[in-house]
Amino acid sequence: DVKVTQSSRYLVKRTGEKVFLECVQDMDHENMFWYRQDPGLGLRLIYFSYDVKMKEKGDIPEGYSVSREKKERFSLILESASTNQTSMYLCASLRTEGSSYTFGSGTRLTVV
Amino acid sequence: KNQVEQSPQSLIILEGKNCTLQCNYTVSPFSNLRWYKQDTGRGPVSLTIMTFSENTKSNGRYTATLDADTKQSSLHITASQLSDSASYICVVSASGRRGKSTFGDGTTLTVKP
Repeated sequence: DVKVTQSSRYLVKRTGEKVFLECVQDMDHENMFWYRQDPGLGLRLIYFSYDVKMKEKGDIPEGYSVSREKKERFSLILESASTNQTSMYLCASLRTEGSSYTFGSGTRLTVV
Repeated sequence: KNQVEQSPQSLIILEGKNCTLQCNYTVSPFSNLRWYKQDTGRGPVSLTIMTFSENTKSNGRYTATLDADTKQSSLHITASQLSDSASYICVVSASGRRGKSTFGDGTTLTVKP
């Protein structure tokens, strides 16, 4: 089975800090995604990548950037963390459009 | 605008009972529909994926149906167990919209002993 590993389960950061969320997948999938999940809003797409060094904006990219230097690793960067970025962040990978997403366990980020 | 609506928002049932969750969508052109189970504090886990030509797919006690004409799907859970308590999320993908699936808000199921 594909495994998607997110580096931290829980993270507490201060307002204004630069925050890195790391995600690694072990099955050579082309596509990787970052979502945030908030109560009542479901999963919202922040960014996705369909190849190394390629990225596309999702529905809510403001305040975030991403990096994909290697196929297996997709990083989400909060340039200057704000309290409204307190959320659950989920990374996912996808082999093809017709397959199922494999999600990581999530990172619960709190910005204080 | 592509939308996925799930109902009910939440549901409480007794252990051993059956239940059915609904998903209506307006995503077009339709590519596939996925159901996921998400335990509290964890990432979603895939239950089923269905394409246009499939109208039923089972995964153990979970059976998903798809009516592409009415743009409706259901997830039926048979003989519920306490471990079925979770959020169930319907995800619909459109052809040609790389990476941009539409997620429903989920149905929260609570199974009580």
